Amino acid sequence: DQQVKQNSPSLSVQEGRISILNCDYTNSMFDYFLWYKKYPAEGPTFLISISSIKDKNEDGRFTVFLNKSAKHLSLHIVPSQPGDSAVYFCAASWGANFGNEKLTFGTGTRLTIIP
Amino acid sequence: DVKVTQSSRYLVKRTGEKVFLECVQDMDHENMFWYRQDPGLGLRLIYFSYDVKMKEKGDIPEGYSVSREKKERFSLILESASTNQTSMYLCASSWDNYGYTFGSGTRLTVV
Repeated sequence: DQQVKQNSPSLSVQEGRISILNCDYTNSMFDYFLWYKKYPAEGPTFLISISSIKDKNEDGRFTVFLNKSAKHLSLHIVPSQPGDSAVYFCAASWGANFGNEKLTFGTGTRLTIIP
Repeated sequence: DVKVTQSSRYLVKRTGEKVFLECVQDMDHENMFWYRQDPGLGLRLIYFSYDVKMKEKGDIPEGYSVSREKKERFSLILESASTNQTSMYLCASSWDNYGYTFGSGTRLTVV
């Protein structure tokens, strides 16, 4: 039972344009969401996060949007750069305030930026 | 710079062997995790630990066990390796769920 889903296994975007990566979840208990980026032969690295009390969080070229009613989040990268080519995982958790530290990850989207 | 170190980048083992994957973190984190990454399946949690000598099953614990004798070290054990355990194994640590630090991964091939 995949509680966090990324329905696009891959995405190609022209350099300088906007990249939009999508993520859907089924567990309404999730209250914190994160995006990780992974290069080949490296571990994932934290990119950006959002709490369920917000609907948008921005950090430089990266913005995450959360639509709780649709159980959907998206990551926008503007402008896209060649170094953004990587696999992106969304992740979700709930109950951190009660000591639940587990993250549930999605299946990943491979983003390729075309020069 | 904070670090999670996995002892091997690549491993090749035979079916039936007992395999140890080691992970060490230098951040004094309470929480440590083992995931495996497979194409089309993303990262799936095998086991995790919130404290020394404490362990909890993740989503896919079958065929695996873990050991956490010291705070900084979390070992994943494949009791009898099988070909369906060929995968990329990722260790992570955290002090809360607001950001895991991952190791570089161990690519295990079971032949």
